[in-house]
This record gives sequence, C-alpha cells and structure tokens, in this order.
Amino acid sequence: DVKVTQSSRYLVKRTGEKVFLECVQDMDHENMFWYRQDPGLGLRLIYFSYDVKMKEKGDIPEGYSVSREKKERFSLILESASTNQTSMYLCASTPGLAGGHSDTGELFFGEGSRLTVL
Amino acid sequence: RKEVEQDPGPFNVPEGATVAFNCTYSNSASQSFFWYRQDCRKEPKLLMSVYSSGNEDGRFTAQLNRASQYISLLIRDSKLSDSATYLCVVRITSGTYKYIFGTGTRLKVLA
Repeated sequence: DVKVTQSSRYLVKRTGEKVFLECVQDMDHENMFWYRQDPGLGLRLIYFSYDVKMKEKGDIPEGYSVSREKKERFSLILESASTNQTSMYLCASTPGLAGGHSDTGELFFGEGSRLTVL
Repeated sequence: RKEVEQDPGPFNVPEGATVAFNCTYSNSASQSFFWYRQDCRKEPKLLMSVYSSGNEDGRFTAQLNRASQYISLLIRDSKLSDSATYLCVVRITSGTYKYIFGTGTRLKVLA
C-alpha cells in the first residue's frame, strides 16, 4: 500500500514562530502537493512539486514556502506563523507525469496535520 | 463562483435509501473526474473515478455530463457506514496537473 506520512498530527505554535511540516511518501511518486482544508472552503492548494527541486505555486501560496530536496520528501514551511494559518494541512502524492502510463489520477493523502496558531 | 460546486448538505437519509449527489464544474479544460470520501477528521480517499460512459462500483454509480459540466454520484441501499463527506474533484491537465476540490456534501445515514 502507498503510504504518505506527515510528521505531526497536531501542533500548537505561537504567532511569529517558524513552522515546518514534513511529508514523506514511500512509493516513488513524482508529484507531491500541500493543501489546507478549512470548513466551508474545502481543500485549497498551497504548493505542488512535480520533481525534485521543482515547485509551483498553488492558489494560496502567500505566507508559505516549500522544499523538495529528495523525491520522497516535501516540506511546507510557515516562515512566521499567523493565526489565520490555523488549519488542517494535508499532503498528497500521485505517480507519473500527466498522461503517462502510470497516471491513475488518484491522489494519496497523508493523515493530516492540524495546526493551531495562538 | 467556485470552480467546483456541491450542495454542502447534510443529507440525512434512512438506511436502505437511495441518495444522489450532484456537482458542477466551471472549467471546460477539466479532463478527469473523481469522487473522494472523507470521514470525520480523516484524510480524503478515492471512492471512484468518473468516466464519460458512466461507471458503477457495487452500490455506487457515477455519471458525467461534459456538455452540462455536471457530475453525479448515486448511492443505493445506503448503509450506516456510508456516513461521510463526499468530495467532487476535477483534474485539469496541462503539462503538469491541478486537482480542484468541491467543498463536499455531507451524508448521514440514520438507523
């Protein structure tokens, strides 16, 4: 089974702190994503990466950065946490380049990291 | 207007009922379509892909109408375990790809 592991299930941080959220997948997937999920707003894409050291902004990248130094690991960084970044953060991965033979379309999610910023 | 719209519900139905969820999408470049299921405080998981000809998986039937930009999910003989939020997802492919999620429809199946 594909496994996507997020480093922390629950975090509590203070305003202004730097926050690292780690995500590791064990199935050699090329594509990795970071979403946040808020009530009434659904899942919104923060950043995604389709290869090592490659990253692209999603719909709400402000206040976030990412790092993908190794294929299996995609990190989300909040440089200076703010209360409006309190949310559930979900990492996902999927295999293959778009339209490639291994492209099933399925997104595999980690269990989520619930971040509270005080 | 949201790119993917769903009725948030909740849909409260008795066990054994048939329930249908609808979803509309606005981006005509959408090429792949999915229904995901999300249990409370859990991550979303793929329920089924949606194909142009329609497809069925046990008690679940998905339909796609590209002309109307409309996707549906039908659940027959509802079980208590079907209680969850159902997310409509479209994927746009252009070199890389982008998944766009609806906000979900909550289903509660009552004993």
